[in-house]
Amino acid sequence: QKEVEQNSGPLSVPEGAIASLNCTYSDRGSQSFFWYRQYSGKSPELIMSIYSNGDKEDGRFTAQLNKASQYVSLLIRDSQPSDSATYLCAVNQAGTALIFGKGTTLSVSS
Amino acid sequence: GAVVSQHPSWVICKSGTSVKIECRSLDFQATTMFWYRQFPKQSLMLMATSNEGSKATYEQGVEKDKFLINHASLTLSTLTVTSAHPEDSSFYICSARPPGGGEQFFGPGTRLTVL
Repeated sequence: QKEVEQNSGPLSVPEGAIASLNCTYSDRGSQSFFWYRQYSGKSPELIMSIYSNGDKEDGRFTAQLNKASQYVSLLIRDSQPSDSATYLCAVNQAGTALIFGKGTTLSVSS
Repeated sequence: GAVVSQHPSWVICKSGTSVKIECRSLDFQATTMFWYRQFPKQSLMLMATSNEGSKATYEQGVEKDKFLINHASLTLSTLTVTSAHPEDSSFYICSARPPGGGEQFFGPGTRLTVL
């Protein structure tokens, strides 16, 4: 059974702080890794993708991948109240459907 | 780019009726589309994978005769909930994958309420 695990939270951080979201996956054959953001009542929105070990930065977001440890994380710098949402980690192998974690709820207080 | 639309955005129907939901990739051709269902405060559940021109692949526990999926073109997939019942009330979301890509782009979702 291929699984993606996330801490459900809620993760609470003050405005301006760094939010750190973590994800582990079971399938060593996974090749692509994604972070989606889902606001309450809305569909998921892709915010980051990462395919190789190391860090990938996009604005306030940094994705980190460690395939040896089967671990992927998302850092959000200078967190804003508008970042409050559920963050979904997703992984797949080429050509297969994404496998999603259950998501981590982030709450940023002003 | 990578815009996916869904129609309708919400629908209310009587028990026993059928409801069709459309999913379109607006600016790319999607050989593969996916259908998900999400109940309140729960995670996304993959229902089926839809490949253009072939039969959909359903996940375990999803009734293929109840949830009819058609992917007749590279930009359109439809999900028909047949003989809907109140327990089918949920948030149905489609996603599409561009050729050669691993990421999936989601439509805005359809909220179905069965009375």
